[in-house]
Amino acid sequence: KAGVTQTPRYLIKTRGQQVTLSCSPISGHRSVSWYQQTPGQGLQFLFEYFSETQRNKGNFPGRFSGRQFSNSRSEMNVSTLELGDSALYLCASSGTAKETQYFGPGTRLLVL
Amino acid sequence: GQNIDQPTEMTATEGAIVQINCTYQTSGFNGLFWYQQHAGEAPTFLSYNVLDGLEEKGRFSSFLSRSKGYSYLLLKELQMKDSASYLCAVREGISGSARQLTFGSGTQLTVLP
Repeated sequence: KAGVTQTPRYLIKTRGQQVTLSCSPISGHRSVSWYQQTPGQGLQFLFEYFSETQRNKGNFPGRFSGRQFSNSRSEMNVSTLELGDSALYLCASSGTAKETQYFGPGTRLLVL
Repeated sequence: GQNIDQPTEMTATEGAIVQINCTYQTSGFNGLFWYQQHAGEAPTFLSYNVLDGLEEKGRFSSFLSRSKGYSYLLLKELQMKDSASYLCAVREGISGSARQLTFGSGTQLTVLP
């Protein structure tokens, strides 16, 4: 099985812009979770989607949003980018509730 | 909410054994995971414990004590490639969703020749 894929791998944006990141889960996996990783805060949960519904959301401002499509692919969007949004954005997929989450390679976002 | 503590850094010698501890406080425990993350790469799954006891997988073992809120990852026969950050993550049993992981800050392990 192919692993979790994320596009793009690297992105440079300027303050105030918006960005959309994409994640394709492992085939057959219906749950996609998004995480932000920074040197100062570590890995922090953003949100989780299952069957096109957001089931759980972390403690991030409303500028961070996401969605999931019928084929389980997911996108996350960050509007009005701030310098502090520079981070590695990771998506992870899993099958059932008891299954392990498998991470994609991440998208490294730099906001200038 | 959850609080997860693990040492920031550890150093060990090639061929040795190292134990990385993780303590947690949670309102609804539903499993503990260990991930390995090399610099610039995504975390990769190492082990999963939901019941008390030891899970062994090759050179890696993980132990869990739910009553003590404690886990450790044991790495045997250390190799240079084991130099990485090791992340302890707890899954909370949230109604309707059990997929949110809360991560510790990670333990940066350096293996010396």
